[in-house]
Order: sequence, then C-alpha cells, then structure tokens
Amino acid sequence: GENVGLHLPTLSVQEGDNSIINCAYSNSASDYFIWYKQESGKGPQFIIDIRSNMDKRQGQRVTVLLNKTVKHLSLQIAATQPGDSAVYFCAEKAGGSYIPTFGRGTSLIVHP
Amino acid sequence: DTEVTQTPKHLVMGMTNKKSLKCEQHMGHRAMYWYKQKAKKPPELMFVYSYEKLSINESVPSRFSPECPNSSLLNLHLHALQPEDSALYLCASSQDEVGALPQHFGDGTRLSIL
Repeated sequence: GENVGLHLPTLSVQEGDNSIINCAYSNSASDYFIWYKQESGKGPQFIIDIRSNMDKRQGQRVTVLLNKTVKHLSLQIAATQPGDSAVYFCAEKAGGSYIPTFGRGTSLIVHP
Repeated sequence: DTEVTQTPKHLVMGMTNKKSLKCEQHMGHRAMYWYKQKAKKPPELMFVYSYEKLSINESVPSRFSPECPNSSLLNLHLHALQPEDSALYLCASSQDEVGALPQHFGDGTRLSIL
C-alpha cells in the first residue's frame, strides 16, 4: 500500500503487505530527517533517521528513502504487522537550526 | 518503556486551578523540551531548555510557566488555563541542544480543562 503526499492521511494495508508512507518537505536547507511512530496513548518513538548526504538508509524491516531533488522522504515497512498500526510523523531539521519540525502525519492501519 | 517519564498521565482541572506537569529523564541529556499536541496533529514546540536555562519560548502564553530545577527534571506550571489548552503535553530530551538528535519523548500528560 502507498499514500501520495500529505493528502491521504490514512493508509490501510493487510498484514504481511509492504507499506510506503510518504512525506513532502518544504525546506531545501533541511539536512536531517527523522521518522517517528506514535501509537495511541503514547509519545512519538524514534524509528529511523537519515542525513542529507545519503539517499537511503535501512533498519530492521524499515527503509527510509530521501530524494532531495523533489524534496521527498518515504518510509517503507516490510511485511507490515498489526503492531505497526500507529501514526507516523516525518520531521525535518534545517541546517543552522537544531529543532526538527514535524510534518502532518499519516495514520497506518494494518488489518489482520 | 520510555526513558522519559511524565506525571501525571491524565489531569483534569478547572480554569481557576493551578497545577504542574512533571518530566524526568536519567539519560544525562542536557536539552529538554515541552510540546503541545492536539488530536490528529503533529507536536508543536513550546519551550526548550539547554543546560537548565530557557533557550526557546515559542511565544507561549504566560499561563504556561516552565521550570528546570536540575538537569534531570522539567516542570510545566499551569494557571488560569482555557478550554482550548486541552491537549496532550509531551516532554522530550536530547543529548544536548545542538546536533544531538533524535529527541526521546515521554508518553505525555493528557490535560483536560473544564
């Protein structure tokens, strides 16, 4: 399953599918990007980050892709599980700033 | 379990009450943050403390008063709040203010103003 930009804030997938969550960022000076997962009743939890000198970074079941040309960030989750159901936020930090700015968020719903 | 602990988890208060939110971390982090989060919205930065000194106040109304008694503790004192202040208040910490991301978040205090 895939959502396009920030106009589809909810993504529904079946368990076992791969999920792709997209984020369009606005500041071309941003040099560091973070994905957070926020489960219901919890605070945001760090998933993965990437610096602007990279275009791909992999973690356990997650991959972040960065396309600086079109200012686009994506989070890929392999073999999505019901425990992945949450709201996912991207955050960007501009060079010269030290506080990241959160994007709008996407709600991921995983159906068993 | 989160390494940033916030108390209480829930708080209901009237508009004339005075209450405080508390945040504690024992990771040796020297930067601490308060965020406000409304339902289905991203967290919004309120205050940043760096080495126990207030470094950023994002034009927050004076009815919110932060305090950092020591490097492990961060408080948010509340007085004469409005119904629109009902939200989830998140505390976060990072190693220091500059270049030491990501932030570690607590699970928040759910605040309801009657």
